Amino acid sequence: QVTLRESGPALVKPTQTLTLTCTFSGFSLSTSGMCVSWIRQPPGKALEWLARIDWDDGKDYNTSLKTRLTISKDTSKNQVVLTMTSMDPVDTATYYCARMVFGDCYSVRYWGQGTLVTVSS
Amino acid sequence: QVVLTQSPSASASLGASVKLTCTLSSGHSNYAIAWHQQQPEKGPRFLMRFNGDGSLSKGDGIPDRFSGSSSGAERYLTISSLQSEDEADYYCQTWGTGIVLFGGGTKVTVL
Repeated sequence: QVTLRESGPALVKPTQTLTLTCTFSGFSLSTSGMCVSWIRQPPGKALEWLARIDWDDGKDYNTSLKTRLTISKDTSKNQVVLTMTSMDPVDTATYYCARMVFGDCYSVRYWGQGTLVTVSS
Repeated sequence: QVVLTQSPSASASLGASVKLTCTLSSGHSNYAIAWHQQQPEKGPRFLMRFNGDGSLSKGDGIPDRFSGSSSGAERYLTISSLQSEDEADYYCQTWGTGIVLFGGGTKVTVL
């Protein structure tokens, strides 16, 4: 059974750096063809893909946020970490991690429950 | 770059059917898409993936009353025998090398 759980601060101040951790089970990110993405959703708005990482440490980023994002993995801990710098109130959103379809790193297959991050002073 | 367009809302009566549309932008009519459901106050759930060759793969435990189809640049999600728990936001998603995109979502109301 595939599960993903996001964790991190519920509140960050403007200009701070956000660090989120996705802890997963039911698969290994060292398996060829496996990928994990981060996706966010501002309150009342649509989903927005942020970044993805694959088994071979290949990475892609949303071009509009690329300069602020870093995605990494710790295979031994079954974790994927996302950092986002220079946080702003417009970054207030629920952040989801997701496992992609096996063998296709861009199609979402399993979702985490999400974690709400509020950016406010 | 590919863009996905969805109608903001749709409604149908309990037990009836509703057909949602996701339109791919010009020049991208052969793209595969996926559908995701988001019930109120919950995280999204994968419903199905509709491939460019017309094949369909569903998520675990997705009822048969959820079905997908396509015509040209349009991708459809049909929900038959609407239940109260089907009241949710529905998002289509597509992808290309290095990019993942979501539509704006359609809010389905069960009357």
